[in-house]
Amino acid sequence: EPEVTQTPSHQVTQMGQEVILRCVPISNHLYFYWYRQILGQKVEFLVSFYNNEISEKSEIFDDQFSVERPDGSNFTLKIRSTKLEDSAMYFCASSGLAALKGDFGPGTRLTVL
Amino acid sequence: RKEVEQDPGPFNVPEGATVAFNCTYSNSASQSFFWYRQDCRKEPKLLMSVYSSGNEDGRFTAQLNRASQYISLLIRDSKLSDSATYLCVVNTGTYKYIFGTGTRLKVLA
Repeated sequence: EPEVTQTPSHQVTQMGQEVILRCVPISNHLYFYWYRQILGQKVEFLVSFYNNEISEKSEIFDDQFSVERPDGSNFTLKIRSTKLEDSAMYFCASSGLAALKGDFGPGTRLTVL
Repeated sequence: RKEVEQDPGPFNVPEGATVAFNCTYSNSASQSFFWYRQDCRKEPKLLMSVYSSGNEDGRFTAQLNRASQYISLLIRDSKLSDSATYLCVVNTGTYKYIFGTGTRLKVLA
């Protein structure tokens, strides 16, 4: 069964650095999402992406964040000037239709020191 | 009121017990409902979608009450492997899924 994949599984960075988290969604899916989960807290929506543009974003997704689908297979989340509070698990998800279930990737654990 | 609200638990139940979780949502325009399961430090995995007529998948039964804006999950004959956090997820038809905080279940031998 096709799966969403994410790399790296764990990223450690210094505060103020930029990181790029990568995701390969399921190949025939059209909608892509990033979520984050701070340790011990709930899963929070960051952004959704369809037809090469952002469909919706949360208040968390400010100018520090950007997404891109650079080559038709990868879906990336860039976090500029990382802060300690950006430390979290970042999940990518994709779905075939917007209102149907999202398939989640295994996540990237981001640690900002 | 939170968009999606769940009792965080934990629910500690013996093997073989029946356990039920409820979840309430605030947006009456919500269209799609799901239960996800999350094991410690893992990604959420879809357990089941929730349909208006209610649906069952083996030991798991999901119900939706649109009038009262809540959904439920019933687990019968609990197994040790059912120990996890159960996430209530709602989609309003927009491009995002709203997660509840999750309900922790621990099934005891």
